[in-house]
Amino acid sequence: QVTLRESGPALVKPTQTLTLTCTFSGFSLTTNRMCVAWIRQPPGKALEWLALIDWAGDKYYGASLKTRLTISKGTSKNRVVLTMTNMDPLDTATYYCARRIAASGSPFDYWGQGILVTVSS
Amino acid sequence: QSVLTQPPSVSEAPRQRVTIPCSGSSFNIGDNAVNWYQQLPGKAPKLLIYDDHLLPSGVSDRFSGSRSGTSASLAISGLQSEDEANYYCSTWDDSLNGWVFGGGTKLTVL
Repeated sequence: QVTLRESGPALVKPTQTLTLTCTFSGFSLTTNRMCVAWIRQPPGKALEWLALIDWAGDKYYGASLKTRLTISKGTSKNRVVLTMTNMDPLDTATYYCARRIAASGSPFDYWGQGILVTVSS
Repeated sequence: QSVLTQPPSVSEAPRQRVTIPCSGSSFNIGDNAVNWYQQLPGKAPKLLIYDDHLLPSGVSDRFSGSRSGTSASLAISGLQSEDEANYYCSTWDDSLNGWVFGGGTKLTVL
């Protein structure tokens, strides 16, 4: 059974750095073609893909936030960490992690429940 | 402004059929398979359709998908109140080198 769960702070101040952790089970990120992505959703708005890391450790970022994001494998082999620098109130959103099995056009097939992060002083 | 265009809302009566369109370009839908996600109120998105028209295990066959040219669509037949949700299309964009989503369509079952 594949599960993912996001964890991190619910509230951050403007200019701070956000660190989120995705803890997953039911698959291994060392298995060929396995990937974990981060996707966010501002309140009442659409989904936005942020970053993805694959089984080989290759990293991919969305163009609009690329300079502020870092995705990495956690110290524990079932974790992926996302950091976002210089947080702004416009970054207030629910942040999801999701699994993808790499193949042409393949989807994000399992999602975590999401974590709402509010940016406010 | 989302890369993929969806109508903000659609509505239809119970037991009827509704279609949700998703419009893109040659860089995304025109060249890559489309996936659809259902997001129930207050919940995380759930994969509904992948590879244009395939259903994940456990998804009702009342849902179907198609793609033609630079557009895709999701059809839901035999509408039920439990289908009320936001629906998002998504695909890879060759120009942006990333995954893109539509703006989402809120389905209301009258």
